[in-house]
Amino acid sequence: DVKVTQSSRYLVKRTGEKVFLECVQDMDHENMFWYRQDPGLGLRLIYFSYDVKMKEKGDIPEGYSVSREKKERFSLILESASTNQTSMYLCASSPTRTIPGAFFGQGTRLTVV
Amino acid sequence: AQSVSQHNHHVILSEAASLELGCNYSYGGTVNLFWYVQYPGQHLQLLLKYFSGDPLVKGIKGFEAEFIKSKFSFNLRKPSVQWSDTAEYFCAVNAESGATNKLIFGTGTLLAVQP
Repeated sequence: DVKVTQSSRYLVKRTGEKVFLECVQDMDHENMFWYRQDPGLGLRLIYFSYDVKMKEKGDIPEGYSVSREKKERFSLILESASTNQTSMYLCASSPTRTIPGAFFGQGTRLTVV
Repeated sequence: AQSVSQHNHHVILSEAASLELGCNYSYGGTVNLFWYVQYPGQHLQLLLKYFSGDPLVKGIKGFEAEFIKSKFSFNLRKPSVQWSDTAEYFCAVNAESGATNKLIFGTGTLLAVQP
């Protein structure tokens, strides 16, 4: 079974803090994604990566950055957390484009106070 | 740009009732279509998917979906729901272009099944 693991289930951070959300997948997938999930808005893509050290902006990249130094790990960084970044963050991975779809982690619920 | 619309935001049904959740997408090219489910407190799981072939696809737990290309729709159905089907359901589209498996999600439909 594919496993996508997010380092924290719940996080509480203060406004202005730098926040790191970590995600690791164990199936050698090329593509990795960060989404945020908010009630009534569904899942919105923040950033994705299709190779090590490669990244592309999704639909809502403002206030976020990412890092992919190793194939299995994809980190989401909030440079200066704000209250409007309080949300559920979901990491996903998928194999090559010929096998579409994605496998999701359990999510990190981040609260910024 | 691609988009996905789920028109039902909140659905309440009694057990044994039939279910149909609407999903429409906007993209003129070849697409792959998915339904994901998120049970309370759990991660997103794939319910079913359509890539090509028979437009009626069957997924887990008795769910099925029909791809109607002319209507740009991929509605989810189940003939008789159970209390355990209470969850949030997301439709997603992956356009066959570009280098990545980028999924576009709908806003979700929250289904509550009353015993």
